[in-house]
Amino acid sequence: DGGITQSPKYLFRKEGQNVTLSCEQNLNHDAMYWYRQDPGQGLRLIYYSQIVNDFQKGDIAEGYSVSREKKESFPLTVTSAQKNPTAFYLCASSPTGTSTYNEQFFGPGTRLTVL
Amino acid sequence: AQSVAQPEDQVNVAEGNPLTVKCTYSVSGNPYLFWYVQYPNRGLQFLLKYITGDNLVKGSYGFEAEFNKSQTSFHLKKPSALVSDSALYFCAVREPIKAAGNKLTFGGGTRVLVKP
Repeated sequence: DGGITQSPKYLFRKEGQNVTLSCEQNLNHDAMYWYRQDPGQGLRLIYYSQIVNDFQKGDIAEGYSVSREKKESFPLTVTSAQKNPTAFYLCASSPTGTSTYNEQFFGPGTRLTVL
Repeated sequence: AQSVAQPEDQVNVAEGNPLTVKCTYSVSGNPYLFWYVQYPNRGLQFLLKYITGDNLVKGSYGFEAEFNKSQTSFHLKKPSALVSDSALYFCAVREPIKAAGNKLTFGGGTRVLVKP
């Protein structure tokens, strides 16, 4: 799982609550990403950020929010507007620059369960 | 829009036999293709990538993949499977536009079960 940490490993949320998932990297990567993984499905992109103080919506951004105040941190907030938040959430990072064909490095994931 | 298809939900193979996991893609422009592996309750681990050059790409843990432009395929292979190769495998294609920031589109995944 390289130099990317995600916390907590397991998270339980009551309906109507907002929760924030942490993602930190010490790889000095410019770009960071959040994915959602549901059982038996592939990964879907929620948000991504190519540089500090900038981020873009992915394919399923509704009900989620992010911030990128520091290069090494990209927290994801799952809001009460997200109707079905129970899933496995993966954070990733990658270098950017003139050679942009780099792979992404993934954290160990956070499993969120709504009670 | 780019897309990736992994036509098999699960592949079963006996230990010591060859392993193939299929992947086809659709993308405008040059494809940049990746394979990842995921063990239970873990993040994804990078196996290999095709950017340009030789159609046969060698990666980690004895895996290789063959890029076939005419068939738009990027199948993952291992000559002799191990029980420890049992995992979930994902194929991914990179957005070819530089400004898109290394965005990847993933296939649905193929579960590999290697039996002793």
